[in-house]
Amino acid sequence: DGGITQSPKYLFRKEGQNVTLSCEQNLNHDAMYWYRQDPGQGLRLIYYSQIVNDFQKGDIAEGYSVSREKKESFPLTVTSAQKNPTAFYLCASTPDGFNYGYTFGSGTRLTVV
Amino acid sequence: GIQVEQSPPDLILQEGANSTLRCNFSDSVNNLQWFHQNPWGQLINLFYIPSGTKQNGRLSATTVATERYSLLYISSSQTTDSGVYFCAVSDSNYQLIWGAGTKLIIKP
Repeated sequence: DGGITQSPKYLFRKEGQNVTLSCEQNLNHDAMYWYRQDPGQGLRLIYYSQIVNDFQKGDIAEGYSVSREKKESFPLTVTSAQKNPTAFYLCASTPDGFNYGYTFGSGTRLTVV
Repeated sequence: GIQVEQSPPDLILQEGANSTLRCNFSDSVNNLQWFHQNPWGQLINLFYIPSGTKQNGRLSATTVATERYSLLYISSSQTTDSGVYFCAVSDSNYQLIWGAGTKLIIKP
C-alpha cells in the first residue's frame, strides 16, 4: 500500500543535540511538507519541497533544516538552534505543489530531556 | 495574511447526536479543506470544498465562499468520530493556512 512512513514515532533530544526525523513516501508525489503541531493549535509549516533538490522555508523554518536528494525522502533535522523543539511533527505529501490531495504520515513526537 | 477561525473549540456529544462545525476565513481563498485528526495523531483529508456542498456517508460539508465560511456536518455521531477537525484554506500563493481546530469527543 502506498503511504508515508515517519520514523521514529517518539524521539528524545538532549539540550544542544541535533536530531533527524525521517519521512519516506512511495506515492510518487512531487511535493512534500513538514509541519509542526503544538498542543491545542493548528499545523504550522516548517519547510516544503515541490521538486527534488529544491525546498522552500515555511513560516517557522528557524532552527530546522531539510534536504530533498530523492523524490521519496524528505528528512528534517532539528538543530540545537531550535530553542523549543518539543512538539509533534507531521510529514505530508501531495501529487503536485498546489496543496491538494494531502497524505500525512503518522507523526513523530519529539521531547527535549 | 488570511485568518482562519473555527468554532466551537470543544464539543462533547453523546453517540448518535448530530453536530455542526464552523470555519470562518477573513479573505478570498483558492480552496478550502477539512481534515480529521484521530486521538493518535493521524490526519486524513475529509473534503476538498472551495464552494458548494459535498457529502460522504454521515459527513457533509458546505462552503459559501462569498460569505467566507464553511460548515462541516456530522450526523449520527459514533465514538470513532472523536478527534480534532481542522479547516485549512489556501491563499493566493497556494500556501495552506490552518485553523486551530475543533476538538470533538463522542461519548458512548
